[in-house]
Amino acid sequence: QLQLQESGSGLVKPSQTLSLTCAVSGGSISSGGYSWSWIRQPPGKGLEWIGYIYHSGSTYYNPSLKSRVTISVDRSKNQFSLKLSSVTAADTAVYYCARVIVVVGRPYYFDYWGQGTLVTVSS
Amino acid sequence: QTVVTQEPSLTVSPGGTVTLTCASSTGAVTSGYYPNWFQQKPGQAPRALIYSTSNKHSWTPARFSGSLLGGKAALTLSGVQPEDEAEYYCLLYYGGAQPWVFGGGTKLTVL
Repeated sequence: QLQLQESGSGLVKPSQTLSLTCAVSGGSISSGGYSWSWIRQPPGKGLEWIGYIYHSGSTYYNPSLKSRVTISVDRSKNQFSLKLSSVTAADTAVYYCARVIVVVGRPYYFDYWGQGTLVTVSS
Repeated sequence: QTVVTQEPSLTVSPGGTVTLTCASSTGAVTSGYYPNWFQQKPGQAPRALIYSTSNKHSWTPARFSGSLLGGKAALTLSGVQPEDEAEYYCLLYYGGAQPWVFGGGTKLTVL
């Protein structure tokens, strides 16, 4: 069964860059038919889609975060990463990674999620 | 900016039936929005329940079903169990500049 596990710094200072990694086990990140996504959830609030990266390497980001977000894949380590620059307290959230099934080149649905990791932005 | 709207909260009795809805600020929700539904319990990650309007994952209990209802995506729980008390989120696909937008969530109380 596919498993995803987030890791990274739990505390980031304002104006710095948040960096997280999602390790994928039980399947290859290089397999076609999938994209790999990041979602976040501020404490006590709802979910926000951040972006994803396709098998081809193409990326799509939430317009509200696009200028600060980079998602990349490391196929040798079977993992993908999130970088969010110039963070503020508003970026404090639980960050989740997830797999997205792609059908005929379109993202179709989300299935497996990681357990999430809390990132706090504070000096 | 696109907004996806869900009922903030609903209450249902054990054994009862309840329908949660998901509306789009752009107009009627159709199958082309590939509606996804997720369940989230406190302290846990979201769990996928329904995709592409009405398709269930292998782990989705039979009492959960998805549909389109009155221009909205809908999630119906029949024979509600106490363990169904959770937050439920819908997710719609718009393509273009902002492919995916989550609804604000519905807190379902089983009482």
